[in-house]
Amino acid sequence: NAGVTQTPKFRVLKTGQSMTLLCAQDMNHEYMYWYRQDPGMGLRLIHYSVGEGTTAKGEVPDGYNVSRLKKQNFLLGLESAAPSQTSVYFCASSPDGTFGQPQHFGDGTRLSIL
Amino acid sequence: RKEVEQDPGPFNVPEGATVAFNCTYSNSASQSFFWYRQDCRKEPKLLMSVYSSGNEDGRFTAQLNRASQYISLLIRDSKLSDSATYLCVVNKRNTGRRALTFGSGTRLQVQP
Repeated sequence: NAGVTQTPKFRVLKTGQSMTLLCAQDMNHEYMYWYRQDPGMGLRLIHYSVGEGTTAKGEVPDGYNVSRLKKQNFLLGLESAAPSQTSVYFCASSPDGTFGQPQHFGDGTRLSIL
Repeated sequence: RKEVEQDPGPFNVPEGATVAFNCTYSNSASQSFFWYRQDCRKEPKLLMSVYSSGNEDGRFTAQLNRASQYISLLIRDSKLSDSATYLCVVNKRNTGRRALTFGSGTRLQVQP
């Protein structure tokens, strides 16, 4: 009963390096989301997807790119990591975006940029 | 002004106490409301949805006041296991997307 799985769990990068965070869900959900969580700021939406092959910007998209080539996977990319991107990243999914649906979260990726 | 505001706490209460959290939201177009629970260094998990008429789930009661734009969560007979951060979450119908807006959370510490 995996639900939403994020890899990796932890990562340390140097400024300017690139990396991709993977989110996989096995619940056949249409909607997927990437959030970041910083102390005192709550979760903020980076990008989201309403279905395979679609992506859209959220509240804080700058410095990130995403892709949804397969329905079950949502990738978050950092092309040139910056210290300001040090954060905890959460992926979430919801069935079909019906209004009022709660979201299911992965257990997070802790990313440090030095 | 933040879209969703919560008192960060911490609320330190003894076991068995009743504790209440409030949350205010700024956008009157908000239509869905939730309380999520987040344990230290863990992912948020849905605690309960909040309905217009108010709703109860065991020791937890949620209330919504649309006129004043606030949501409350009441926890009765607090347990040590209730220690966590409680996130107030709203969803706006007119954004064209189904993402949620999170408050920064209220930390609860239940003490023996």
